[in-house]
Formats: sequence, structure tokens, C-alpha cells
Amino acid sequence: KAGVTQTPRYLIKTRGQQVTLSCSPISGHRSVSWYQQTPGQGLQFLFEYFSETQRNKGNFPGRFSGRQFSNSRSEMNVSTLELGDSALYLCASSLSGQGFGTEAFFGQGTRLTVV
Amino acid sequence: AQTVTQSQPEMSVQEAETVTLSCTYDTSESDYYLFWYKQPPSRQMILVIRQEAYKQQNATENRFSVNFQKAAKSFSLKISDSQLGDAAMYFCAYRKEGYQKVTFGTGTKLQVIP
Repeated sequence: KAGVTQTPRYLIKTRGQQVTLSCSPISGHRSVSWYQQTPGQGLQFLFEYFSETQRNKGNFPGRFSGRQFSNSRSEMNVSTLELGDSALYLCASSLSGQGFGTEAFFGQGTRLTVV
Repeated sequence: AQTVTQSQPEMSVQEAETVTLSCTYDTSESDYYLFWYKQPPSRQMILVIRQEAYKQQNATENRFSVNFQKAAKSFSLKISDSQLGDAAMYFCAYRKEGYQKVTFGTGTKLQVIP
């Protein structure tokens, strides 16, 4: 069974540009969550999508947005990039929001560097 | 708001020895799950062990076990017979029932000394 796949693995962007990251969840998983990991702030929750709807959102500015497609694949977009957006972006998929056995499985992340 | 605290930024252990990583959390919820994730240099977050809050029995997975003290809101991870491959960052994490948002601690970097 294939794991969570994130593309690309590495990205270098310039301040002011925008970027789109992609996440393909484990087959059958309908929930996709995104996290930002930085040395200073640790792991922070960005948002979660389930059946193409955003269910939860973390405390990030509106420059961070996402969407989920009918096949559960998800994309995350960051507009007007800032140096502080440099981070490892992790995607996690899970079966649903209810019950045990719905732990999150993570991808290998996308390392975004803003210069 | 839920918080997860890991007070040990770094730990080291001799190969084949036992080490315990500490974690405390704060929540007003009664139904939740606790996890330990391992993040090696490859960056992939790997689930090590999980615990349902309503279960009194401590979870075990091979060499990994937890000491779950619900009243004290403590959730420590014990690694027995430590191996070189155990070297990684370990994150304690919390998830409320019905929600997918995971709250992570700041992590403990574990070094295994040959």
C-alpha cells in the first residue's frame, strides 16, 4: 500500500512569488491535513480537508490556502511568499475524524526555501 | 487550548540500554488520543505508538511502551534495548476525538551511543 506522497520534495522560491504544494493521501483516506515545521515554531497545524471541504483551520494568515479534489488529493498554496515561510511542509492523511485507528500518516514533506 | 510539553530537548542512551522520554499535556477533554512520533533525518514522521485516553492499560509495541497517567496528564515513552536506528527526534502528540488536528510537543532529540 503506497504511503502519503508529497511533491515536490524541495523548492526554492523568491520573496513575493507564490507556490503550490501537492499531497496524495493513502488510498482510501479522505482526510488530509497540512503542517508547517520550523526550528523556531515547531510543528504547527495549517488546515484539514475532508471530502473536499475545509473542516479545521490553524492560525495562519490568509496567504495560506488549500483545497482538496474529489480523489482526496490536496494542494496547498502560499501567495506572496515571505522569508519566514521557509519551512518543511508536512502533509498527513487519515481515514476519518471518528474513532480509534484514525491516526495520521505523514508524507516526507516538502522543503520550501524562500530567498 | 490543548498543549503538549516535552521538557527534554535532548537525551542520549547507550546501545542496548533503556531510555524514557517525558511528555505532559493539558486538556479539558475526556476523549482523546496520544501518540509518539519519530522523525529521523529523512524527515518522515513515523508513528511509534498510540494510546486511547479511555484505556487504562498502557500501550506497547515491541521495544516501545508508554506510561500513561491520565490524572497527572503524563505520557512517557520507554524504549528498551535501544538500537542505533532509534536515533531521531521524538514528538509527543495529542488529538481530540472527532478532530484531525494534531498538537505536537517541541520534540526530544535522542542520540544512541554505540
